[in-house]
Amino acid sequence: EPEVTQTPSHQVTQMGQEVILRCVPISNHLYFYWYRQILGQKVEFLVSFYNNEISEKSEIFDDQFSVERPDGSNFTLKIRSTKLEDSAMYFCASRWRDRVFYTFGSGTRLTVV
Amino acid sequence: KQEVTQIPAALSVPEGENLVLNCSFTDSAIYNLQWFRQDPGKGLTSLLLIQSSQREQTSGRLNASLDKSSGRSTLYIAASQPGDSATYLCAVDPYGNKLVFGAGTILRVKS
Repeated sequence: EPEVTQTPSHQVTQMGQEVILRCVPISNHLYFYWYRQILGQKVEFLVSFYNNEISEKSEIFDDQFSVERPDGSNFTLKIRSTKLEDSAMYFCASRWRDRVFYTFGSGTRLTVV
Repeated sequence: KQEVTQIPAALSVPEGENLVLNCSFTDSAIYNLQWFRQDPGKGLTSLLLIQSSQREQTSGRLNASLDKSSGRSTLYIAASQPGDSATYLCAVDPYGNKLVFGAGTILRVKS
């Protein structure tokens, strides 16, 4: 069964450093998403991406965050200058069209120290 | 603003019991509702998706119902097994482009 692949599974970074979280969505999917889950809290929407542009972003997704689909297979989330409160599990998701099942990756646990 | 609440927060049952997990949402204008399973430290596995025009969906031992007018959904698990132990998340899609999640129900099925 096709999967959404996320790398790395765990990343530790110093506060103030830039991090890039990588995702390979399912190949025929057109809609891409990032969500995050701070330990013990709800899963929260960050951003949706379609047709090479952001279609919606949440209040969390400020100027420190950016997304990119640099080629036909990867979808990345960049955090420019990490803060302690960015520590969370980050999930990538994709689907082939809107209003159908999402497929989530297994997540990247980001720890900012 | 859409809010999703799940009750109970945690549930422990003996193997073989049938059980019901509850989800409520504040705004009945939704496109669909999705139930997920999350194992500790892992990603989210889609279980069932109910479109706003549907009343229920079934997959194996799982049955999910949707009552949009009252803002409620239930996930029914028949003949529970220890392998069903996980966190179950309810999420609503308000207009087709994102999910709003509940906090989840932590289920433990004892053998």
